[in-house]
Amino acid sequence: AQSVTQLGSHVSVSEGALVLLRCNYSSSVPPYLFWYVQYPNQGLQLLLKYTSAATLVKGINGFEAEFKKSETSFHLTKPSAHMSDAAEYFCAVTLGSGNTGKLIFGQGTTLQVKP
Amino acid sequence: EADIYQTPRYLVIGTGKKITLECSQTMGHDKMYWYQQDPGMELHLIHYSYGVNSTEKGDLSSESTVSRIRTEHFPLTLESARPSHTSQYLCASSERVPYNEQFFGPGTRLTVL
Repeated sequence: AQSVTQLGSHVSVSEGALVLLRCNYSSSVPPYLFWYVQYPNQGLQLLLKYTSAATLVKGINGFEAEFKKSETSFHLTKPSAHMSDAAEYFCAVTLGSGNTGKLIFGQGTTLQVKP
Repeated sequence: EADIYQTPRYLVIGTGKKITLECSQTMGHDKMYWYQQDPGMELHLIHYSYGVNSTEKGDLSSESTVSRIRTEHFPLTLESARPSHTSQYLCASSERVPYNEQFFGPGTRLTVL
């Protein structure tokens, strides 16, 4: 069975500091992985996705994530935090083609950016 | 412009009322989903559909029902709203293959008094 674990329900960084949001997955087959961002009172917006091509994936708003099979991780990073990055971030996994198409979401990480 | 829409965005209603939350997408996607999300919490899948006349219950039990008569439309209905139904409801759709990347609507925040 697939699962996703996001380490740290709250992460606080200073503006300009490195952002690191952790995500570990469990899957019996090669997964497809996603990071979504949710701003208050809005739906989820896709930041980036891993689809078995390059292991380092670049997304929108300067975010990137690296797929590490040996560590079963897909951590999200950004070199320099901006105040507008404050939001809820969700990691998700799916088996992809041929399955139900359901995404399994982590419990989310709230990112706080301090001035 | 291809997008996914939800109405209403906010709804405050009394106990016992029947409500329908609307979700429409113009992307031509076969798969559609409904999630329930309490503030600051994870998403729970409550219903999904693979296409017209196809609906399935999700991982979280819900008293709501759904229908899929048209590809672009996936409404959710509560026959008798209760305070325990107070939550945010998110609708999403995805392509058939290969990655199942889901696109989300803005959500409906429901409050039942």
